[in-house]
Amino acid sequence: SAVISQKPSRDICQRGTSLTIQCQVDSQVTMMFWYRQQPGQSLTLIATANQGSEATYESGFVIDKFPISRPNLTFSTLTVSNMSPEDSSIYLCSVEDRLAGAGLHEQYFGPGTRLTVT
Amino acid sequence: KQEVTQIPAALSVPEGENLVLNCSFTDSAIYNLQWFRQDPGKGLTSLLLIQSSQREQTSGRLNASLDKSSGRSTLYIAASQPGDSATYLCAALSGTYKYIFGTGTRLKVLA
Repeated sequence: SAVISQKPSRDICQRGTSLTIQCQVDSQVTMMFWYRQQPGQSLTLIATANQGSEATYESGFVIDKFPISRPNLTFSTLTVSNMSPEDSSIYLCSVEDRLAGAGLHEQYFGPGTRLTVT
Repeated sequence: KQEVTQIPAALSVPEGENLVLNCSFTDSAIYNLQWFRQDPGKGLTSLLLIQSSQREQTSGRLNASLDKSSGRSTLYIAASQPGDSATYLCAALSGTYKYIFGTGTRLKVLA
């Protein structure tokens, strides 16, 4: 299974600023994802981070607000731009361990970044 | 569009009880069903993954079953312990190769 780390683990930010969250995986993976978990809610997929091309965003999420980079197969960043209190959430990076030919698509998650916007 | 729900939303049991957590999904054409555990303020830990061709998976005191035809999965926890207290999430992988998460069950096991 993949081991995933995220930085920072938590942050308190002022309204109008931006925060970049880093996700590092200990092995090369094809699929990397970014999720948001608002207080008391389940997980919502923000986007799929594609290596070497633009991220694929889900409905309701746009690149200007959540720019994503994926320079290689082990690293990705998510930026939360022009933050407001509504952006206070846990942001989670995940990877998919896809065994070729086995049909498995098991997902593993990082420890999350707890963001509070004041 | 796939929707995943979990019942109950919260559960409190005395230590030692066997318990069942339920997960329902609306689109039975799934590839996988994965169960996770989340401790407060933390990330998700994968517990069990059931492929669409399987009916159940076991790991220690945990057993997960899958009934695609009825759109249901259950997570059975035997001899519950206070350390099992956490939120349990199920997620279904279907169609677009994206996991759709359930609403979660908050479990509290009382010593």
